[in-house]
Amino acid sequence: GAGVSQTPSNKVTEKGKYVELRCDPISGHTALYWYRQSLGQGPEFLIYFQGTGAADDSGLPNDRFFAVRPEGSVSTLKIQRTERGDSAVYLCASSPRTGGINEQFFGPGTRLTVL
Amino acid sequence: AQTVTQSQPEMSVQEAETVTLSCTYDTSESDYYLFWYKQPPSRQMILVIRQEAYKQQNATENRFSVNFQKAAKSFSLKISDSQLGDAAMYFCAYRGTGTASKLTFGTGTRLQVTL
Repeated sequence: GAGVSQTPSNKVTEKGKYVELRCDPISGHTALYWYRQSLGQGPEFLIYFQGTGAADDSGLPNDRFFAVRPEGSVSTLKIQRTERGDSAVYLCASSPRTGGINEQFFGPGTRLTVL
Repeated sequence: AQTVTQSQPEMSVQEAETVTLSCTYDTSESDYYLFWYKQPPSRQMILVIRQEAYKQQNATENRFSVNFQKAAKSFSLKISDSQLGDAAMYFCAYRGTGTASKLTFGTGTRLQVTL
């Protein structure tokens, strides 16, 4: 079946602009995660949804970052007033259930470049 | 907070040979899960192998196996009969068993496979 998809694949924007990054999880997966991967680093957790609600948003770096999952499926990560330091690959993952040994299935990521 | 350390930024192995990638972690939890993910240039993270901390037996998946030393907090990955397709970034990751479902990643090891 289809895996996790993310759009756009690449996004170039100017400092100060607003961007939206979309994640389509695997159908039926209730858990959805966002991670940010800076150059030369491992992914860092941003936020996790269980259904429609954000169960853990402790990784969001500041209030310019916000994510929604209104119908418990597709999620959008929103970044306001982008800064050059926001440049990174943003990865989305989904899982059929939370916790345990359950695998998180990752999408190909969106590479965000802020000029 | 949990931390994951991968002390080998790069490793090289000849085709058909065996290589071991190191990973150590720090946690105060007694039960948790450990993972190795592979990230090829396509950016998509692929699960290689996983281990439940309460299981003493080391996990194996075909050519991939782990050496899990709970007391030493060490979780190394052994790749046997290396193939050109194994060339990628490899990330070690930790997940606790509490309500927090996030993965904590190391900084990765780039594996090169030579003829």
